[in-house]
Amino acid sequence: GAVVSQHPSRVICKSGTSVKIECRSLDFQATTMFWYRQFPKQSLMLMATSNEGSKATYEQGVEKDKFLINHASLTLSTLTVTSAHPEDSSFYICSAQTGTYEQYFGPGTRLTVT
Amino acid sequence: GENVEQHPSTLSVQEGDSAVIKCTYSDSASNYFPWYKQELGKGPQLIIDIRSNVGEKKDQRIAVTLNKTAKHFSLHITETQPEDSAVYFCAASITGNQFYFGTGTSLTVIP
Repeated sequence: GAVVSQHPSRVICKSGTSVKIECRSLDFQATTMFWYRQFPKQSLMLMATSNEGSKATYEQGVEKDKFLINHASLTLSTLTVTSAHPEDSSFYICSAQTGTYEQYFGPGTRLTVT
Repeated sequence: GENVEQHPSTLSVQEGDSAVIKCTYSDSASNYFPWYKQELGKGPQLIIDIRSNVGEKKDQRIAVTLNKTAKHFSLHITETQPEDSAVYFCAASITGNQFYFGTGTSLTVIP
């Protein structure tokens, strides 16, 4: 089946610094990837849609200048949390689309901002 | 936008019993309804899905039913096993691209 990886799996950073999270589709090409965040014991909230070679589309309420998304190739999308603050601590999950209606999720990245 | 509600938030069953999780959606244009299983510290894994032109789909111990008129769909797990313990999420999609998730159900199967 389709495999999606994320790196790192866990990251701790200091307040004010930036952190980059990578999402890779390992055995397929994905023109579209999605980024979600999930707070403890809560649901997944879509943050943005990442399209290869074009600007990401952000959901309402998500700051595009704070959560920078780059989808430079058909197998890699990155999410950079800039000037991170403790309230940005969360579980970030990406998914990659193999076709309409078919999304495969990565294992997630636990971000802790101290 | 689409709003998906999910019940119950927690569910405990004895091993071998059945478990049922229900979701409702708000937008009648939604036409794809996947169910995901998420284990602690991991990403969601698709376990079954259904499209709006089908009323029921079954895969071994797992089945999903859809009532388009009432705008609700349900996950049924029969003969539950301890390894079924996890958080289950329903989702709805209009375009097949953006997915809107329910609030999750924490299922515990008691040996």
